Amino acid sequence: IAGITQAPTSQILAAGRRMTLRCTQDMRHNAMYWYRQDLGLGLRLIHYSNTAGTTGKGEVPDGYSVSRANTDDFPLTLASAVPSQTSVYFCASSEVAGGQETQYFGPGTRLLVL
Amino acid sequence: GQNIDQPTEMTATEGAIVQINCTYQTSGFNGLFWYQQHAGEAPTFLSYNVLDGLEEKGRFSSFLSRSKGYSYLLLKELQMKDSASYLCAVKDSNYQLIWGAGTKLIIKP
Repeated sequence: IAGITQAPTSQILAAGRRMTLRCTQDMRHNAMYWYRQDLGLGLRLIHYSNTAGTTGKGEVPDGYSVSRANTDDFPLTLASAVPSQTSVYFCASSEVAGGQETQYFGPGTRLLVL
Repeated sequence: GQNIDQPTEMTATEGAIVQINCTYQTSGFNGLFWYQQHAGEAPTFLSYNVLDGLEEKGRFSSFLSRSKGYSYLLLKELQMKDSASYLCAVKDSNYQLIWGAGTKLIIKP
C-alpha cells in the first residue's frame, strides 16, 4: 500500500512560471488537504476537498488553485509562482473511524521560487 | 483570532521523561491531535483527545483539559529516535485543523 504520494519531491521554479504539484492517495479517503509549512509557523491549510467534485478554501488560498476530479487525485496549481510561495507543501487525506478523524500526510514537495 | 501555543524547543536526556505543553484558543473545539515530525519528513499521527483526561499509548500519553484550553504530551523512557518536532493541532467549529508551530525536542545521551 503506497498511501499518499506526491510529485515532484523538490523543484526549483522561476518566478512567473506555472507549476502543478501532484498528489495521489490509494486509501479511498474522501477528504484531502493541501498545506504549506514554513519555518517557525504551523502548517497552514491552502485548500481542501471533502469529497470528489468539491473543493474549499483554507487559510492561505491566494495564488493557488485545486481540482478534485476523482477520489484519488488532488493536484495543486500555482498559476504564476512568486518567491513567497517558497515552502514545503504537504498533501494529506483523512479517514473517520470511531468518531475520530485522522489525517495522513504525503512525503512533501520542497519548492523554491526564484 | 485562533491561536495554538507551544514551546519552540525543549531538551531532555535519554531515558528521562519530558512534558510538552500546548495551549489553545479556537472558535469551537472538536478534538486535539498530537503529531510527530522528524526533520525532512511528513508529520505522523500520535494521539487524539476529545474528552478531558489522559490517553495512554505505550511510552506516549496525552492529556486534555477543555476548560483550561490546555493539553500536554508526555514522553517516557526517552530514546534518541524521539528527537523530532511535536505538533499540536485543534479541530475548530468548522472541523478544520488549526496547527501550532511545533516543539522541537532534542534528546541528549
